[in-house]
Amino acid sequence: AQSVTQPDIHITVSEGASLELRCNYSYGATPYLFWYVQSPGQGLQLLLKYFSGDTLVQGIKGFEAEFKRSQSSFNLRKPSVHWSDAAEYFCAVGAPGGNFNKFYFGSGTKLNVKP
Amino acid sequence: DTGVSQDPRHKITKRGQNVTFRCDPISEHNRLYWYRQTLGQGPEFLTYFQNEAQLEKSRLLSDRFSAERPKGSFSTLEIQRTEQGDSAMYLCASSLGTAEAFFGQGTRLTVV
Repeated sequence: AQSVTQPDIHITVSEGASLELRCNYSYGATPYLFWYVQSPGQGLQLLLKYFSGDTLVQGIKGFEAEFKRSQSSFNLRKPSVHWSDAAEYFCAVGAPGGNFNKFYFGSGTKLNVKP
Repeated sequence: DTGVSQDPRHKITKRGQNVTFRCDPISEHNRLYWYRQTLGQGPEFLTYFQNEAQLEKSRLLSDRFSAERPKGSFSTLEIQRTEQGDSAMYLCASSLGTAEAFFGQGTRLTVV
């Protein structure tokens, strides 16, 4: 069965510092991987996705993520964090068979940004 | 394009009452998804529609839950005889086929 683990519940970084949010997945085949962001009281916004090809994917708002099959990881990174990046971030695996939007989400990482 | 719209945004109900939520997807989107998100957790898949057909239901969707999408446009999610464990954020998403899904802002249900 598909599952996603985000080991860090909370992370605090200073504004301008780099960021890496961890995501590990359990999946039997080539996964479809996603990162979403959720601001308080809001829905989810897609940051980036990986289906195949180049393992380093670029997303919106300056985020990128790297797919590492050998480590079953899809970590999210940003070189310089802005105060507006404070939010909750969810990693997700899309279901097989082409219905990618049936997601299995991790439990999320809440990002705080210190001024 | 106003995005995915959910109504109401907040609902407080007494245990045992029935509640109904509505989701209006982006107009040309043929797929519609319902998710439930409890505090401190990621969203969990409940069900999805392709046009008016409900193609999949999670085991999380007990007999007290029913979802419909008449005419393949808006969708409703009804919970009968609500329980405190039903308190959660209910998220709706829509997509055009397997393209990117867009989420609504959710309906937060509190059962007292």
